[in-house]
Amino acid sequence: ILNVEQSPQSLHVQEGDSTNFTCSFPSSNFYALHWYRWETAKSPEALFVMTLNGDEKKKGRISATLNTKEGYSYLYIKGSQPEDSATYLCGRGTGNQFYFGTGTSLTVIP
Amino acid sequence: GAVVSQHPSRVICKSGTSVKIECRSLDFQATTMFWYRQFPKKSLMLMATSNEGSKATYEQGVEKDKFLINHASLTLSTLTVTSAHPEDSSFYICSARDLKWNTRFNEQFFGPGTRLTVL
Repeated sequence: ILNVEQSPQSLHVQEGDSTNFTCSFPSSNFYALHWYRWETAKSPEALFVMTLNGDEKKKGRISATLNTKEGYSYLYIKGSQPEDSATYLCGRGTGNQFYFGTGTSLTVIP
Repeated sequence: GAVVSQHPSRVICKSGTSVKIECRSLDFQATTMFWYRQFPKKSLMLMATSNEGSKATYEQGVEKDKFLINHASLTLSTLTVTSAHPEDSSFYICSARDLKWNTRFNEQFFGPGTRLTVL
């Protein structure tokens, strides 16, 4: 089992603040790193699929970076809004298997 | 596009009974479906990887005779919890990988999950 760890476990920020979380994973035999956004009572939704060291991806106010050599990825949210409140999961895949971290629960306070 | 459904969304059963959960890809074909279980305040734990037309691959510690997985077609996988006990109560969620997007490194589409309560 691949040890994927996320920090912090939970986070409360004020509306308008920018924030970031960390996903760390074993760097050996890296294949792909995914970020998912999971709102309560909904299905997890893919944000980013990252495969190359140095990858940076952006979707609106959310962006992510990847360092496969040291085994970490950061997710950034700029100007947090209440609708950003969700659990953010990162997962690491190797071939046909996939393992998630514990997630970071973000609450944006209006 | 890329919608995955799960049925039922919630089930309550008596100890000793079996419960079947269905996972369907509605608008795409999936060679691979994944079954996860979420423990309270924990992440999604991969239980097994289900490949269409072949036996599922179970993760270490997951009893294959307890959690029967069948992936009979490119759009349907089922998880049957046999002789359920209260400790099997959990949130079970499936995901599917689009056959067309095999080159996209395992991007998965998730179902909404099934809350199982065993009395």
